Amino acid sequence: DAGVIQSPRHEVTEMGQEVTLRCKPISGHDYLFWYRQTMMRGLELLIYFNNNVPIDDSGMPEDRFSAKMPNASFSTLKIQPSEPRDSAVYFCASTTLNGGELFFGEGSRLTVL
Amino acid sequence: AQKVTQAQTEISVVEKEDVTLDCVYETRDTTYYLFWYKQPPSGELVFLIRRNSFDEQNEISGRYSWNFQKSTSSFNFTITASQVVDSAVYFCALSEVYSSYKLIFGSGTRLLVRP
Repeated sequence: DAGVIQSPRHEVTEMGQEVTLRCKPISGHDYLFWYRQTMMRGLELLIYFNNNVPIDDSGMPEDRFSAKMPNASFSTLKIQPSEPRDSAVYFCASTTLNGGELFFGEGSRLTVL
Repeated sequence: AQKVTQAQTEISVVEKEDVTLDCVYETRDTTYYLFWYKQPPSGELVFLIRRNSFDEQNEISGRYSWNFQKSTSSFNFTITASQVVDSAVYFCALSEVYSSYKLIFGSGTRLLVRP
């Protein structure tokens, strides 16, 4: 079975550009999470969805960040405009049980110059 | 509020030594889950174990063992006879089941196992 699939794996962009990260959760999973990992702040939960509905977006840093889940098999995390401090690895994860193991994608490494 | 503390930033051991990674958590809920994840140098996050708050039995899986003590709010992880392949960053995490379903991670402990 395919795991959580994220794209792109690596993205290098210039400050001010729009960045879109994509995630395909494991089929049948009804929870989807976006995390950000940096050296300074570790792994931070940005937002999570249940049945495609955003449940908690309190971790989204600011209005430049937005996330959508138009259907059960696809989610996007968008940064517009991007800034150098957004450079990080962004992980998507999914699960099917409340309190269950999160299955993580391989991450998208974003570098904003 | 939830909080997970991994006080050990980095640990270095020689192969075949035993090593314990500490994890202390804070929660107001009575029902919660605790997790350990491993992040090898390749960067992916690998699930190791989940423990619910009602099960204080220690668990052993090969060279790995976990000690859960509610009295001290700790969920420590021990690797017996460490190997070079155990070198990674290890994260402890907490999820409060009823108040909010979020997995909150500790800051991680970097383990270096030297040959």
